[in-house]
Amino acid sequence: EIVLTQSPGTLSLSPGERATLSCRASQSVSSGYLAWYQQKPGQAPRLLIYGASSRATGIPDRFSGSGSGTDFTLTISRLEPEDFAVYYCQQYGGSPPRYTFGQGTKLEIK
Amino acid sequence: EVQLVESGGGLVQPGGSLRLSCAASGFTFSSYSMNWVRQAPGKGLEWVSYISSSRSPIYYADSVKGRFTISRDNAKNSLYLQMSSLRVDDTAVYYCARDPVVGEFDYWGQGTLVTVSS
Repeated sequence: EIVLTQSPGTLSLSPGERATLSCRASQSVSSGYLAWYQQKPGQAPRLLIYGASSRATGIPDRFSGSGSGTDFTLTISRLEPEDFAVYYCQQYGGSPPRYTFGQGTKLEIK
Repeated sequence: EVQLVESGGGLVQPGGSLRLSCAASGFTFSSYSMNWVRQAPGKGLEWVSYISSSRSPIYYADSVKGRFTISRDNAKNSLYLQMSSLRVDDTAVYYCARDPVVGEFDYWGQGTLVTVSS
């Protein structure tokens, strides 16, 4: 089973700054099956990025995804107040197929 | 507008059973694979189960295999999760989520809370 490890656990930044979140896999992940989600307190997760680098419908272009193999990155170019939340990476694969999530990165206001 | 609305959560004793439902609207339900994903209080996300648009194949996380059963009724635009032999560590918000056939979850319901406690 592929394990996803996200870092850092907590990231403290100010609005307007750039955020870089990391997701590392224990085995190679097909880039077609790496996604990122944002979750705010009391809400369901929202899909941000799929296929490692494609933005989901309605997601602002300040969000971007990159990476391949075992190392993936979510970048938020200029933080807006509404971006402070928990972010999860997720992969799909294996036999039988499994979906696994990273443990999350909390992005908090500095 | 795509909508997923879960129901059926509540308080149940360890060893008990519960059936969750997810009502779908705003899209052709019969064309999409569906999943259940859960989140224990204050914890991260955990995938629970998958069912394809045609009801086969079906997959389960090891933590629920043999205890939970996923099903769907395409005529009623509904997804279900039958949970039995419930344990305290099954306590979580359970979300239904759509998979647009590319390995991610593009729409989620608001979740329903299941509490397993004596």
